[in-house]
Amino acid sequence: DAGVTQSPTHLIKTRGQQVTLRCSPKSGHDTVSWYQQALGQGPQFIFQYYEEEERQRGNFPDRFSGHQFPNYSSELNVNALLLGDSALYLCASSYTGVRYGYTFGSGTRLTVV
Amino acid sequence: GENVEQHPSTLSVQEGDSAVIKCTYSDSASNYFPWYKQELGKGPQLIIDIRSNVGEKKDQRIAVTLNKTAKHFSLHITETQPEDSAVYFCAASTPLQNSGYSTLTFGKGTMLLVSP
Repeated sequence: DAGVTQSPTHLIKTRGQQVTLRCSPKSGHDTVSWYQQALGQGPQFIFQYYEEEERQRGNFPDRFSGHQFPNYSSELNVNALLLGDSALYLCASSYTGVRYGYTFGSGTRLTVV
Repeated sequence: GENVEQHPSTLSVQEGDSAVIKCTYSDSASNYFPWYKQELGKGPQLIIDIRSNVGEKKDQRIAVTLNKTAKHFSLHITETQPEDSAVYFCAASTPLQNSGYSTLTFGKGTMLLVSP
């Protein structure tokens, strides 16, 4: 049983560009959450998707947007990249809420130059 | 919103010693407290969790305690081994009002180094 799959694993982008990160949740999970983890910090919540809708959002600007597809997979899009967007982006899947525990992917390391 | 403080930021122990990591949270509505282990280049892996109706939970060498009154919870690792070396994160889950879902707020992490 595959866990959470994220792609790509590493990415280098230039300031001002746009990026799309992808996540396939663990089998049986229907909720996808995205987190940003800066170097040496804990993960920071970006947003959560359930039934193809964003149902909660953290303190991130509108440059960060997402989407969930009918098969529960998800994308994170970041527009107008800033140097400060360099981080590990983690996708976590769960079933009907966090009480049942998140399963995290290995993340996408985004470097903005 | 919820705020989770975690201490210490780094912890060095000798193999076989015990390690304790402590966290405090601010929102009394938080009701689920997982602990994650993150190794270099990997995503966080759930190692143990505790719900607000339980005071203590143990799984082999790992235990977690929760004091709801004081709003703090701790991770205890006994008989540490070099492979326990990693970054450990505590987190708190706070349900949204009038909804059936919630999200996690993480502490800043503790780097545990176990020396042979």
